[in-house]
Amino acid sequence: EIVLTQSPGTLSLSPGERATLSCRASQNIGSTYLAWYQQTPGQAPRLLIYAASSRATGIPDRFSGSGSGTAFTLTISRLEPEDFAVYYCQQYDSSSWTFGQGTKVEIK
Amino acid sequence: QVQLVQSGAEVKKPGASVTVSCKASGYTFSTYGISWVRQAPGQGLEWMGWISAKNGYANYAEKLRGRITMTTATSTSTAYMELRSLRSDDTAVYFCARYSRVEPAAMFDSWGQGTPVTVSS
Repeated sequence: EIVLTQSPGTLSLSPGERATLSCRASQNIGSTYLAWYQQTPGQAPRLLIYAASSRATGIPDRFSGSGSGTAFTLTISRLEPEDFAVYYCQQYDSSSWTFGQGTKVEIK
Repeated sequence: QVQLVQSGAEVKKPGASVTVSCKASGYTFSTYGISWVRQAPGQGLEWMGWISAKNGYANYAEKLRGRITMTTATSTSTAYMELRSLRSDDTAVYFCARYSRVEPAAMFDSWGQGTPVTVSS
């Protein structure tokens, strides 16, 4: 089973700052099946990025994704108040999906 | 717009079964799949499995096989997830999500609101 490891566990930043979140896979997963989700407290996750770098419908362009193989990055160029949340990466391999453990972006 | 509306909160005793429903609207139900994801209190997301609404093919996470069944009813655009032999560590919020393809990629692009399931004696 492929394991996704996200870092850091918590990121403390101020509004307007840039956020860089990492997701590392235990094996090469290409890029096609790597997605990123945002979850705010008490809410369902929301799809942000699919295929490592494609923004989902309605997602602001301050969100961007990059990477392939085993190393992936989600970047939020300038944090807005509504961006403080938990972010999960997700991958698909061998008929199974797995999620990373999440990175919490909190207000500094 | 795409909406997935789930059934309400459940409280079950250990050993019992629970069925959560997920009613879809705003799209052609049979052309997408439905995936189920759960989240234990204070924890991350765990994929449970998915089902094709077109042909009923289902694939389950290995750790749940034997205890879980997913079904769909195309006449009512509703998906169901049954989990049996409940244990305390099945206490979680259960989400359904639309499994979507933008070839060749796949993703969960719309989510239900979540159904809390509590397993307690």
